[in-house]
Amino acid sequence: DTAVSQTPKYLVTQMGNDKSIKCEQNLGHDTMYWYKQDSKKFLKIMFSYNNKELIINETVPNRFSPKSPDKAHLNLHINSLELGDSAVYFCASSQAPGQYYGYTFGSGTRLTVV
Amino acid sequence: AQKITQTQPGMFVQEKEAVTLDCTYDTSDPSYGLFWYKQPSSGEMIFLIYQGSYDQQNATEGRYSLNFQKARKSANLVISASQLGDSAMYFCAMREGRATGGFKTIFGAGTRLFVKA
Repeated sequence: DTAVSQTPKYLVTQMGNDKSIKCEQNLGHDTMYWYKQDSKKFLKIMFSYNNKELIINETVPNRFSPKSPDKAHLNLHINSLELGDSAVYFCASSQAPGQYYGYTFGSGTRLTVV
Repeated sequence: AQKITQTQPGMFVQEKEAVTLDCTYDTSDPSYGLFWYKQPSSGEMIFLIYQGSYDQQNATEGRYSLNFQKARKSANLVISASQLGDSAMYFCAMREGRATGGFKTIFGAGTRLFVKA
């Protein structure tokens, strides 16, 4: 049973399209995150939700909108996709937002905008 | 400002030998957590080890240990008895408390480890 599952694993789309990435965790964790990993492997946090409440909202274009219908799900919707959005997007979860908890990551979604 | 520094973009180690991956950090928060993650070529991120800022002893998990030097703000990962499967990208990460960092985990640039047979 996959702990943090993301779909799709690969996403190829044209500029200007709107797309969504879904994430679900079955660990009973309270906190979920979206990270972006660029072509140089640099990981940057985008958003974090704790029990459906947005607690971290980094400086990302407002074309990116997270949605958490319940604490087990955190989806990422991207409007008007641009070439620079091409990256690997990781969903992750942790027991709580505090500094003591390691993350469990999903397997990533490789987004390619052409 | 970058708060996690990994100065070794790439490292080579002979199979069965030990290797140390360097990590230094910067924070003014007295309460923080330090983490190491492994990313194999398949792409997934795997949590390896955690060290709390108040922990007196260095963390260990199997062949992984974290050499925590608080005064020097370093949190090096030591992998003993390297195996071919240890070849991967390794990320050091830090999470500060709510007041300073809002519980964000920030990652270093990573070190790519190559284990030679």
